[in-house]
Amino acid sequence: EVQLVESGGGLVQPGRSLRLSCAASGFMFDDYAMHWVRQAPGKGLEWVSGTSWNRAAIGYADSVKGRFTISRDNAKTSLYLQMNSLRAEDTGLYYCAKAALRGVVVAGGGGFDIWGQGTMVIVSS
Amino acid sequence: DIQMTQSPSSLSASVGDRVTITCRASQDIRNFLAWYQQRPGKVPKLLIHGASTLQSGVPSRFSGSASGTEFTLTISSLQPEDVATYYCQKYHSAPLTFGGGTKVELK
Repeated sequence: EVQLVESGGGLVQPGRSLRLSCAASGFMFDDYAMHWVRQAPGKGLEWVSGTSWNRAAIGYADSVKGRFTISRDNAKTSLYLQMNSLRAEDTGLYYCAKAALRGVVVAGGGGFDIWGQGTMVIVSS
Repeated sequence: DIQMTQSPSSLSASVGDRVTITCRASQDIRNFLAWYQQRPGKVPKLLIHGASTLQSGVPSRFSGSASGTEFTLTISSLQPEDVATYYCQKYHSAPLTFGGGTKVELK
């Protein structure tokens, strides 16, 4: 079964850091670009960051650039998001998502066909 | 950055109605456009990619089309299980921006 399972969310104070993880199974992880998408409570979807299969191409939303770092370990079939200098507006459900098409860079991946259940991040004092 | 403007933000329709949702890109994105359905409390589901290619397992009452920078998602005959929020997303280049969403409710 194709599956993505996120972990690492929680309550954190503004200015602190958090590291999210996403464990993938059931598909050739190193064939696909992977992404993080977040959703603030009651709001729409926001693409956060993405990485190509080989980490050669990486992209970030302007809202997180310079604060968040995406990475992946193909040997462990895992995706990560290091979040530093967290702000209240970073609060939300963070989803890990798989590109629909294999072998592409951050863009051009045909959308996201597999999503995890999400991990909640709450930034509050 | 390329902006994605989705309309309407919400709509109410009856079972069996034809429903149309529009997404406009501020620049040419070719057909690098996806549509998602997010039912209440659920994870987003990919419906269409390449502006008009139906994802495997998606009912044929869903269809997508494109005309220049304007993209349309059509539900030919609305069903109760289609109550959801629908999002477009451009994946032409980073950032892979989502539209603001369209909430579809039953009348």
